[in-house]
Amino acid sequence: QKEVEQNSGPLSVPEGAIASLNCTYSDRGSQSFFWYRQYSGKSPELIMFIYSNGDKEDGRFTAQLNKASQYVSLLIRDSQPSDSATYLCAPSGGFGSARQLTFGSGTQLTVLP
Amino acid sequence: GAVVSQHPSRVICKSGTSVKIECRSLDFQATTMFWYRQFPKKSLMLMATSNEGSKATYEQGVEKDKFLINHASLTLSTLTVTSAHPEDSSFYICSAPPPDGQNAYNSPLHFGNGTRLTVT
Repeated sequence: QKEVEQNSGPLSVPEGAIASLNCTYSDRGSQSFFWYRQYSGKSPELIMFIYSNGDKEDGRFTAQLNKASQYVSLLIRDSQPSDSATYLCAPSGGFGSARQLTFGSGTQLTVLP
Repeated sequence: GAVVSQHPSRVICKSGTSVKIECRSLDFQATTMFWYRQFPKKSLMLMATSNEGSKATYEQGVEKDKFLINHASLTLSTLTVTSAHPEDSSFYICSAPPPDGQNAYNSPLHFGNGTRLTVT
């Protein structure tokens, strides 16, 4: 059974701080890893994806992947109140397997002004 | 960019009635679409994969006779919740992978805006 575990939260950080969101996955066949942000009552929106070991930076966001440890994280620098949302980790399966996008339970982040 | 439109955004219906939710790919053709369900404070759970021109593939535990999926064209998939009951009240979201020829493993899904179903 494929499992995706995220730090349960809720996570609160002050404005301007770094928020660290963690995710572990059980399926070693996972190729890509997506981070989605979901505001309450809305659909998820893509923040970043990563498929190579190491770090990937995009603006205030950095995704980190360690396939050996089956671990992926998302760092949000200079956190803003508008970053307050639930963050979903979603590993993807093999080639042509977008259906194997299994979502973690999400981490609720609150950035305090 | 690829846009997925979902309609309606909200629906309230009486127990026992059926509700149809539409998911359209607006600027691309989608041979595959996915239907997710999300209960409050829970994650998205894949219900089924909609395949254009063939039967949908349902995840374990999802009743195919209750959640009818029709992918009649390359731009439209519909989910019909038949004989809805209060426990079917949930947030239903459709999605589709983009059509640009990339391998799906590194292509994000594009989500519709979701449908909030309330069954009274």
